[in-house]
Amino acid sequence: NAGVTQTPKFRILKIGQSMTLQCTQDMNHNYMYWYRQDPGMGLKLIYYSVGAGITDKGEVPNGYNVSRSTTEDFPLRLELAAPSQTSVYFCASSSDGPYNEQFFGPGTRLTVL
Amino acid sequence: GDSVTQMEGPVTLSEEAFLTINCTYTATGYPSLFWYVQYPGEGLQLLLKATKADDKGSNKGFEATYRKETTSFHLEKGSVQVSDSAVYFCALLDYGGSQGNLIFGKGTKLSVKP
Repeated sequence: NAGVTQTPKFRILKIGQSMTLQCTQDMNHNYMYWYRQDPGMGLKLIYYSVGAGITDKGEVPNGYNVSRSTTEDFPLRLELAAPSQTSVYFCASSSDGPYNEQFFGPGTRLTVL
Repeated sequence: GDSVTQMEGPVTLSEEAFLTINCTYTATGYPSLFWYVQYPGEGLQLLLKATKADDKGSNKGFEATYRKETTSFHLEKGSVQVSDSAVYFCALLDYGGSQGNLIFGKGTKLSVKP
C-alpha cells in the first residue's frame, strides 16, 4: 500500500516556465488537497477536491490550476512560474473530508529562479 | 481569522527528557485540534487529535489536552527517544465554509540526542 505518492521530489524552474506536480493515492479516498509550505511557515491550502470532477479553491489558489479526472489522481499545474512560488508542495487525501485524518505525500521541493 | 501559534524551535533534548511543545489558537467557533508529525524525508502523519474541550488525545506516549479556557493544545511526552526527532505541527480545523479547512502552525523541530 503506497498511500500518497508525489512526483517529482525536487525541481528547479526558470521564471515563466510551467510544470505539473503529480499526486496519486491508492486508498480510494474521495477528498484530496494541495498545500504549500513556505520556509518557517505553516502549510496553506491551495486547492482541494471532494471527488472526481469537483475542485474548489483554498486559501492561496492564485497562479495554480488543478483537475480531478479520476479518484486516484490530483495534479497541480503551475503556469508562468514566479519566484513567489518557491515552496514545498504537499498533496494529501482523506476518506470523508477534513474532519478525518489526512494522509500526506512526502512533498515536492520547487525552486523558481 | 482563525490561527495557530506554536513555540519557536528548534528544540534539542537529551534522551528520556520531558517534552512540552506549546500550541495556542484563536478561533471564532469550536474547532477540532490536531498534532501532526513529519519525520525526515516523509510526509506529515496524524499523531493525535481532540474534538471538544477537555478531550485528551494520546498516541505513542504523546498527549495533548484541549483547553478551551486557555485556548491551548500543548503536546507533552514524559520520556523522549531519539526516534522522536521530527517536526511537529499543531493544527485546527476551521469549520467555516462548505468543507472546512485545516490551519497549521509553523511547526517545531525537535532533535533528541542520545
